[in-house]
Amino acid sequence: DAGITQSPRHKVTETGTPVTLRCHQTENHRYMYWYRQDPGHGLRLIHYSYGVKDTDKGEVSDGYSVSRSKTEDFLLTLESATSSQTSVYFCAISVLGTDTQYFGPGTRLTVL
Amino acid sequence: AQTVTQSQPEMSVQEAETVTLSCTYDTSESNYYLFWYKQPPSRQMILVIRQEAYKQQNATENRFSVNFQKAAKSFSLKISDSQLGDTAMYFCAFMKPQGGSEKLVFGKGTKLTVNP
Repeated sequence: DAGITQSPRHKVTETGTPVTLRCHQTENHRYMYWYRQDPGHGLRLIHYSYGVKDTDKGEVSDGYSVSRSKTEDFLLTLESATSSQTSVYFCAISVLGTDTQYFGPGTRLTVL
Repeated sequence: AQTVTQSQPEMSVQEAETVTLSCTYDTSESNYYLFWYKQPPSRQMILVIRQEAYKQQNATENRFSVNFQKAAKSFSLKISDSQLGDTAMYFCAFMKPQGGSEKLVFGKGTKLTVNP
């Protein structure tokens, strides 16, 4: 357990509405990541952060934005949700010096 | 770009027996890491084992061990004395060290069922 929580754990929303998912960590890790998991694709990187206010795009960043105003929180925002963004979203942290990522419990998002 | 292939979408094994899950990857890098993650029905992604490419010795963690063949770009996971709690999706993943901006590249997973 790397002290990672995600909220909400489940969310159902409608197409076109904004959605924000929160990742919170308690152990002051510098690097944080957002992945999405879809059947047949494994996990794919959306965005990552290497410090407060320092973020960059991953493999599937279109339609997503992120923010990190403090070390412990990394927010993922869907400005206008679409049905293709129905997925399970995982937050991860990287433990410095180990090059190993540990995951939060995930958020299941359904966009109707 | 790196790719990870898990050729077995589903496998099953009897309790107490041994099973091996296959993983191959494609990269031109010489320094990298390989991982196996387990995802039980609870959905939590749990690190099972980690291998550093520059280490020739195969990693082991209790009943879990890997067969790392760098030249063949193969990284299989062996589970000994399978238990019902090992029932899960297993994902193989590749990572190139980049000072923190690493991304994990995942295979599509193997669904393992342990039968009583």
